[in-house]
Parts: sequence; C-alpha cells; structure tokens
Amino acid sequence: QQQVKQSPQSLIVQKGGISIINCAYENTAFDYFPWYQQFPGKGPALLIAIRPDVSEKKEGRFTISFNKSAKQFSLHIMDSQPGDSATYFCAALRLYTGTASKLTFGTGTRLQVTL
Amino acid sequence: GAVVSQHPSWVICKSGTSVKIECRSLDFQATTMFWYRQFPKQSLMLMATSNEGSKATYEQGVEKDKFLINHASLTLSTLTVTSAHPEDSSFYICSAPMLGAYEQYFGPGTRLTVT
Repeated sequence: QQQVKQSPQSLIVQKGGISIINCAYENTAFDYFPWYQQFPGKGPALLIAIRPDVSEKKEGRFTISFNKSAKQFSLHIMDSQPGDSATYFCAALRLYTGTASKLTFGTGTRLQVTL
Repeated sequence: GAVVSQHPSWVICKSGTSVKIECRSLDFQATTMFWYRQFPKQSLMLMATSNEGSKATYEQGVEKDKFLINHASLTLSTLTVTSAHPEDSSFYICSAPMLGAYEQYFGPGTRLTVT
C-alpha cells in the first residue's frame, strides 16, 4: 500500500518546548522520506529529508528520527518558536530511474507554538 | 534550493469560464511536473503528472477534459481549468523534481475562486 499515516492532527507547544510529529508507512520500497513545512496561503517548502540507511538526521533545530524495522519516522523541532507555527507534512517516495517519482503525503499536522 | 514559480498567485473567475495557471522552474529543467490541489485544512491531492513532450497522466477520478495540462517546455507547465464551477475553487500547487534526484520543489500555489 502507498499510505502514509501521520499524527497528531494538531499540536500545541509552548515556546522553547519540543514538537514531535510522527509518521508511519507501509510500503518498504520507499527510499526517501521528506518533511515539508507549509504556511497558510503558501506552497510546501522542503524542510529536511532522510534516507532509510540512516537512523537520524539533524539540521539546526530540526531532527528526523527513522526506525526502519518499525516503518516509522518522526520530526522533532527543538526549542520551538512561534515562527514555527505552520502545517507540517511527512511524505515518502520511491525513486525510479528515468521516470518521475510521486510523493505520498501524510495528512498533515497543524503546529501552534504559544508564547 | 531550486525555485519554482506559479502565476497567477490568485485568480477570481466567473462560473463557466476557463482559467490558466502557469508553473515554471526558474533555475533548473524539469521534464516532469506534478499538479496538486489542496482544500482548506487538508493534505495535498495529486491531480496529474505533466510530462514534457508527451501527454499528461491523470490520477484516478480527475477529469482530464476539465483539467487540461500542457508541458510546453522543460521549464513550463500549464494547468487550464475549463468551464470552471464553484466546486473547482481550491488552492492549486505545482511541484518539480530534480531529474535523477529525490528532491521535489513546490511552487507558491495559486488560489482559484470561482463565483
């Protein structure tokens, strides 16, 4: 199956706290797992991505943790800031040589960071 | 990262008219572009895959005669919503993958309102 399940649907975190969003996938052929950040009225922006050959990737305050055996991956936002308030989408993709690959998106998580 | 633009950013049209939305990759060539629509508080729904030099492929349930796609060059794809109706009002987003790479870059989206 191509489904990617994402939770929670919404999340409220205090400024300085840690935001955690989880995703689970079923298709073991997926080999690329990006996270996108979307502000209202804007297109999604690639935030961070991971390949299944590593268990963790960190870029600044954003970290992806990847558990291949459990087919789960999560986004951690450290020291969450009000400017991080947005909708976050996880996604998965299988890269095909010579042809374009479709992203399979999670349902999204609306993050609100309060003062 | 690579830049994808869309034009217009928003458009209002009357029911029964047609509207054209442009998607351009500004600093890379894209043999494939993807078109999505997004309803409020929902995830992105893939509509079709635009292929330079060949016909677009549409996802199940998407009317190809209503949503005309033309991939005119390696940097331009257009989506024409024909005989638009209020239920076509949505946020339309395109994306373009880097050829042979995992990354996909999204345009800023086009808000279509049909009155």
